[in-house]
Amino acid sequence: DQQVKQNSPSLSVQEGRISILNCDYTNSMFDYFLWYKKYPAEGPTFLISISSIKDKNEDGRFTVFLNKSAKHLSLHIVPSQPGDSAVYFCAARPSYSGAGSYQLTFGKGTKLSVIP
Amino acid sequence: DADVTQTPRNRITKTGKRIMLECSQTKGHDRMYWYRQDPGLGLRLIYYSFDVKDINKGEISDGYSVSRQAQAKFSLSLESAIPNQTALYFCATSDEPSSGSSEQFFGPGTRLTVL
Repeated sequence: DQQVKQNSPSLSVQEGRISILNCDYTNSMFDYFLWYKKYPAEGPTFLISISSIKDKNEDGRFTVFLNKSAKHLSLHIVPSQPGDSAVYFCAARPSYSGAGSYQLTFGKGTKLSVIP
Repeated sequence: DADVTQTPRNRITKTGKRIMLECSQTKGHDRMYWYRQDPGLGLRLIYYSFDVKDINKGEISDGYSVSRQAQAKFSLSLESAIPNQTALYFCATSDEPSSGSSEQFFGPGTRLTVL
């Protein structure tokens, strides 16, 4: 059973507009969430993260929102740029409590295309 | 220079062959991981190691084995490759979670094709 779900396999957005990528999770033990970006022929690279004690984290054009009651997080990119075109993975991990708890569980990814 | 390197970057092999994928890192991290990515399935954890003497199975370890030769090196072996092991394989490293970060750093990936 998927514990981290990205229900939109793809998203197209016009350059300059807002991109909103969504992620849902089912494991209530998750307390730290990360977004990774992946270009073709490269490994995923870390983008932004959020702890469950926060509901928002911002880094430049990227903002992650966390709604714990809904078990939902979203990544907002404003303004979107053609270079943002990539696959975005949502990942989550439970609170640290020993061996194995540092494992990240990844969603299937959303392919974002920013149209010039 | 890349912090996490993987060799080979591409490999085509035949069913039944033994294959080793290698990973090296210069980040000084104790923790290393092997993932595979299949189209539409995201990243799934195969094995992970928290130090040289610690090896743990991940979500999909069947058909794979690993060796942690040193802090900086973690290799993944397919003892007898089969076609459904055709995938993109990623190595990753991370620091201790007590450092405050859960970020994992990924290598560029190895594209493996089993015919």
